[in-house]
Amino acid sequence: AQSVTQLGSHVSVSEGALVLLRCNYSSSVPPYLFWYVQYPNQGLQLLLKYTTGATLVKGINGFEAEFKKSETSFHLTKPSAHMSDAAEYFCAVSEDTGFQKLVFGTGTRLLVSP
Amino acid sequence: DTGVSQNPRHKITKRGQNVTFRCDPISEHNRLYWYRQTLGQGPEFLTYFQNEAQLEKSRLLSDRFSAERPKGSFSTLEIQRTEQGDSAMYLCASSLDGAAGTYEQYFGPGTRLTVT
Repeated sequence: AQSVTQLGSHVSVSEGALVLLRCNYSSSVPPYLFWYVQYPNQGLQLLLKYTTGATLVKGINGFEAEFKKSETSFHLTKPSAHMSDAAEYFCAVSEDTGFQKLVFGTGTRLLVSP
Repeated sequence: DTGVSQNPRHKITKRGQNVTFRCDPISEHNRLYWYRQTLGQGPEFLTYFQNEAQLEKSRLLSDRFSAERPKGSFSTLEIQRTEQGDSAMYLCASSLDGAAGTYEQYFGPGTRLTVT
């Protein structure tokens, strides 16, 4: 069965600092991987996705993630944090080529201080 | 394209009552998903429709839950005899099947259910 582990329920950074949110997955077949962001009382917005091809994926708002099969990881990074990046971030995996259900991690809350 | 919409945004009900939520997907999307998100957790898959056909249901979807998607457009999720454990955010998502590179699921704002 697929699963996702997000290390660290909370990550605190200063504005302008590097953001690193960790995600490890478990999948018996090549996975499709996603990062979503959720602002308070809102739905989820897709930041980026990995399906096939290039392992370094660029997304919106300056975020990127690298798929590392050997480490079963898909960590999310951003070179310089902005106050508006404060939100909950969810990593998700789907191994069904029909893109059916997503299996989400428990989320990481990013706190950005001035 | 106005995105995925859900109504109501908030629902407070007493234990034992029935509630129904509605989801309107992005108009050309033929796939529709329901997820449930409890406090401090990631969303959990409940069920999935391709057009009007319900193709998969999670074991989380007890007999008190039923979902429909008549005519393959909007969907409703009904919970009968609500319990306090049903309190959660119910999220709807839609996606397009068949168009290369556009398989991501687009989420609505959710319906927050509180059972008192």
